[in-house]
Amino acid sequence: DVVMTQSPLSLPVTLGQPASISCRSSQSLVYSDGNTFLSWFQQRPGQSPRRLIYKVSNRDSGVPDRFSGSGSGTDFTLKISRVEAEDVGVYYCMQGTHWPLTFGGGTKVEIK
Amino acid sequence: QVQLVESGGGLVKPGGSLRLSCAASGFTFSDYYMSWIRQAPGKGLEWVSYISSSSTHIDYSHSVEGRFTISRDNAKNSLYLQMNSLRAEDTAVYYCARDKDDYGDSWGQGTLVTVSS
Repeated sequence: DVVMTQSPLSLPVTLGQPASISCRSSQSLVYSDGNTFLSWFQQRPGQSPRRLIYKVSNRDSGVPDRFSGSGSGTDFTLKISRVEAEDVGVYYCMQGTHWPLTFGGGTKVEIK
Repeated sequence: QVQLVESGGGLVKPGGSLRLSCAASGFTFSDYYMSWIRQAPGKGLEWVSYISSSSTHIDYSHSVEGRFTISRDNAKNSLYLQMNSLRAEDTAVYYCARDKDDYGDSWGQGTLVTVSS
């Protein structure tokens, strides 16, 4: 199975400051059709997960533009340009290229 | 708007069975792949199974293969997960999700399954 490794585990951030989460996969996530199926999900406390980014860098509808995704191959990053209070929660990366689909262990974003 | 409502969770003894349902609305259900994902208490996310729009393509995680069966009824806009031979480690909140533009673009609120004697 593809192992997804996120860092850091915990990310204390100051309101208004940027934040960055790294996600590395144990093998390339480039599919045979050229697409890279790497998504990012946000789970606020007590809520269901919500997808923010799909195929590395595409923002889902309604997702603020302070969220951005980048990367290629086995190395990916989620960036929040200016953290707001509503961004508190756990963030997961997920690969959809290889079955079984696998998630990273999560990064907890909290306000300092 | 897209709405996914799971039901059928509860307390079941080890070795028992349970059938989860997911009622979909706000979109053309028969056009989309659908998935089940679970989250054990205080833990991360685990993809359980997915099914193609016409049920021709199905896959399961290693941990549930042979015990769980995913199915759908496009006429009823419903997704199902039949869970047999349940184990303590199957205890989790089970979410159904729509798969649009990759996987998991919309999720339900989840239903809790507890396997305990």
